[in-house]
Amino acid sequence: LAKTTQPISMDSYEGQEVNITCSHNNIATNDYITWYQQFPSQGPRFIIQGYKTKVTNEVASLFIPADRKSSTLSLPRVSLSDTAVYYCLVGLYNTDKLIFGTGTRLQVFP
Amino acid sequence: KAGVTQTPRYLIKTRGQQVTLSCSPISGHRSVSWYQQTPGQGLQFLFEYFSETQRNKGNFPGRFSGRQFSNSRSEMNVSTLELGDSALYLCASSLAEQETQYFGPGTRLLVL
Repeated sequence: LAKTTQPISMDSYEGQEVNITCSHNNIATNDYITWYQQFPSQGPRFIIQGYKTKVTNEVASLFIPADRKSSTLSLPRVSLSDTAVYYCLVGLYNTDKLIFGTGTRLQVFP
Repeated sequence: KAGVTQTPRYLIKTRGQQVTLSCSPISGHRSVSWYQQTPGQGLQFLFEYFSETQRNKGNFPGRFSGRQFSNSRSEMNVSTLELGDSALYLCASSLAEQETQYFGPGTRLLVL
């Protein structure tokens, strides 16, 4: 199973763009990259998923370089409500269970 | 479409007791997975069910068990509760195995 490495924490201010990078050096050919957001005492919420290049939805963008050994979650114009822990997972389509790392704790300040 | 629901949301038990938690997946989803989340260990996989069969099991003792019914609803049971079982128990459902998982709000269990 591919192991992921993310920064433990990040700080930002309202209105800024936040980029959270995840390293996954041993990603397999069939692996997808998925990001979840979790608020305290709630279940993780699916944000975005991709395989290569760029994926965009109404809440975020996911950038994946050609070698796929890393990925970047981009949150445009964050607000206070984006304060949460963000998890990067690799291998959803090649594994039978989700392996969560420590995640990145994003703190957004006014 | 309604999301994953879990009951109860909060539960207090004492050591030695047993507990049963329930999960109703999103309509049409046939795969249900359970996770335990604690401050010290983070999110850990417990087990996954698909079509009433356990497909995978995490590294937890036999006190933790589960089952899935024909309507895809799932229950997990923890017997002989220990203080260390205090955690947020999360259920996630997906259309099928190895598909994107959607999580419920969790059941917070406190063992005294």
